[in-house]
Amino acid sequence: SQQGEEDPQALSIQEGENATMNCSYKTSINNLQWYRQNSGRGLVHLILIRSNEREKHSGRLRVTLDTSKKSSSLLITASRAADTASYFCVIEDSNYQLIWGAGTKLIIKP
Amino acid sequence: NAGVTQTPKFRVLKTGQSMTLLCAQDMNHEYMYWYRQDPGMGLRLIHYSVGEGTTAKGEVPDGYNVSRLKKQNFLLGLESAAPSQTSVYFCASSFGGGSYNEQFFGPGTRLTVL
Repeated sequence: SQQGEEDPQALSIQEGENATMNCSYKTSINNLQWYRQNSGRGLVHLILIRSNEREKHSGRLRVTLDTSKKSSSLLITASRAADTASYFCVIEDSNYQLIWGAGTKLIIKP
Repeated sequence: NAGVTQTPKFRVLKTGQSMTLLCAQDMNHEYMYWYRQDPGMGLRLIHYSVGEGTTAKGEVPDGYNVSRLKKQNFLLGLESAAPSQTSVYFCASSFGGGSYNEQFFGPGTRLTVL
């Protein structure tokens, strides 16, 4: 399967701590995106990283990409209750197909 | 701007019935997508369109048809619904592909097929 696979499947941390989620994939990619899904705001794009990039930042988010290991990580710093959501990585393969992982469910405890 | 809208929000069908889901976007996006999401899973691409009058198959196209007669609308049809099509359906649009494929999503349609 070319599907991105997130790890862990679920993560529960205290508010204020950092959360790290990982995504692994099996094929060559053009880019990789991270999305967030929660009941309040639905599906929202967080960040896109191109295959020739190694790291990107957006506010409290930091994404890394290692194409040699076919993996990416999403770090959320200083977590807040509003970060409670499912996080998905989405790869665009060399045929421009978009493939979603099953997601990491993040719970931020007050 | 409304962004991406979907109608209806909920629907219950009997096996064998047909229906059409409507997606509309007001962002002048070229690309539009239909996904389904089953419990505990990520999204799976059903069909997509890279412009008005074009459609293409995604990962799970069987049992569905689509049409993109107008740039702002993307219709998903179920000709003969089956219980396996019970799911939440999401429509999305993007400016383009590649580095321009940040997708904007509608709120979803929850479909139950009895």
